[in-house]
Amino acid sequence: SQTIHQWPATLVQPVGSPLSLECTVEGTSNPNLYWYRQAAGRGLQLLFYSVGIGQISSEVPQNLSASRPQDRQFILSSKKLLLSDSGFYLCAWKLQGAIEAFFGQGTRLTVV
Amino acid sequence: SQQGEEDPQALSIQEGENATMNCSYKTSINNLQWYRQNSGRGLVHLILIRSNEREKHSGRLRVTLDTSKKSSSLLITASRAADTASYFCLANQAGTALIFGKGTTLSVSS
Repeated sequence: SQTIHQWPATLVQPVGSPLSLECTVEGTSNPNLYWYRQAAGRGLQLLFYSVGIGQISSEVPQNLSASRPQDRQFILSSKKLLLSDSGFYLCAWKLQGAIEAFFGQGTRLTVV
Repeated sequence: SQQGEEDPQALSIQEGENATMNCSYKTSINNLQWYRQNSGRGLVHLILIRSNEREKHSGRLRVTLDTSKKSSSLLITASRAADTASYFCLANQAGTALIFGKGTTLSVSS
């Protein structure tokens, strides 16, 4: 069966420190991969999506970047975190042409 | 804005009442899904409606879709305190991007 792993569940990082959140998918091939962020009390905002290895589309320019080094691995990074980067980050996958998307459990990031 | 719009943003009702949430989107879609999120945690898939469907039921949930108005509604009947959560619509655009609405926070008091 297909599963999606996202870790860590919670993270507290100081301002100016780097960030690396990893998301991996099992049980499928060539998924579309997505990173979302939810700021406190707000909706889910699409940050990046990828339709293949090395292919990244950025929806919102900001202090973050994404990479897809392997087919089922999607990484969200930052060189220097800002306080405004705090939020809930969700990874998702969906097969091209399929209907339903599947979500990880999310990472709650607090930048202090 | 890339996001869809949902209204109301916050809804407070009593147990037993019905709750209706609406979602609008901007582009053509293949389908639209509704998700539930408890207290900033992971998302739970509730129901999906395809672009060629107008209404769908699942238990106490009823979803409608009006593609001419680019809008959808989620009705929760006979609400319970356990229904307290945030509800999001996810528009599966005719393309690749999946865009969430801003969400409705539902509070059901007993």
